[in-house]
Amino acid sequence: SQQGEEDPQALSIQEGENATMNCSYKTSINNLQWYRQNSGRGLVHLILIRSNEREKHSGRLRVTLDTSKKSSSLLITASRAADTASYFCATDGSSNTGKLIFGQGTTLQVKP
Amino acid sequence: EAGVAQSPRYKIIEKRQSVAFWCNPISGHATLYWYQQILGQGPKLLIQFQNNGVVDDSQLPKDRFSAERLKGVDSTLKIQPAKLEDSAVYLCASSLTGGVGELFFGEGSRLTVL
Repeated sequence: SQQGEEDPQALSIQEGENATMNCSYKTSINNLQWYRQNSGRGLVHLILIRSNEREKHSGRLRVTLDTSKKSSSLLITASRAADTASYFCATDGSSNTGKLIFGQGTTLQVKP
Repeated sequence: EAGVAQSPRYKIIEKRQSVAFWCNPISGHATLYWYQQILGQGPKLLIQFQNNGVVDDSQLPKDRFSAERLKGVDSTLKIQPAKLEDSAVYLCASSLTGGVGELFFGEGSRLTVL
């Protein structure tokens, strides 16, 4: 079963706009990660946020985590056509084995 | 640094046939994962190895799927006999220790079962 659920399932924006994707999960976690997947390719790690962190930045990415609501959001600012991809959140379900459970993903299309 | 290598990239077989996928993780990575990704869905963990031991295979359909990681490096995932619902991308990933940290994914092996 999937741990995380992303919302929206699909998002279409114009280049330069911001994109926000949300992730909800069911059980307690040690950390939450976001990955990007370009069409026909493998997943690429974007950012990891630990359960005791509330916000984290990496370049044009901003991730927030609300453990009381069991939710996270990924904000991509000033989007580019190259950001077109599927984005997945993944949680460890409080496991220390490194096992990650992925959500269904949000498909982002950035129009030039 | 070389990434996670997988082969073949594409495979088409008929149902009831068998298929094998190979993965070579990043050098020095102790933990190796096989994920199944059905079109339009997120990856689902099939099996996790720590060196050459199995950590988690709770979602591996053991009546038809098998995996091994001999010598704690390369890994092979086999499906025999294949069913139509096995059509998916099989992703291999590795991580340095298997604790908290990022996973490094290969490009995947796309299987089509006719």
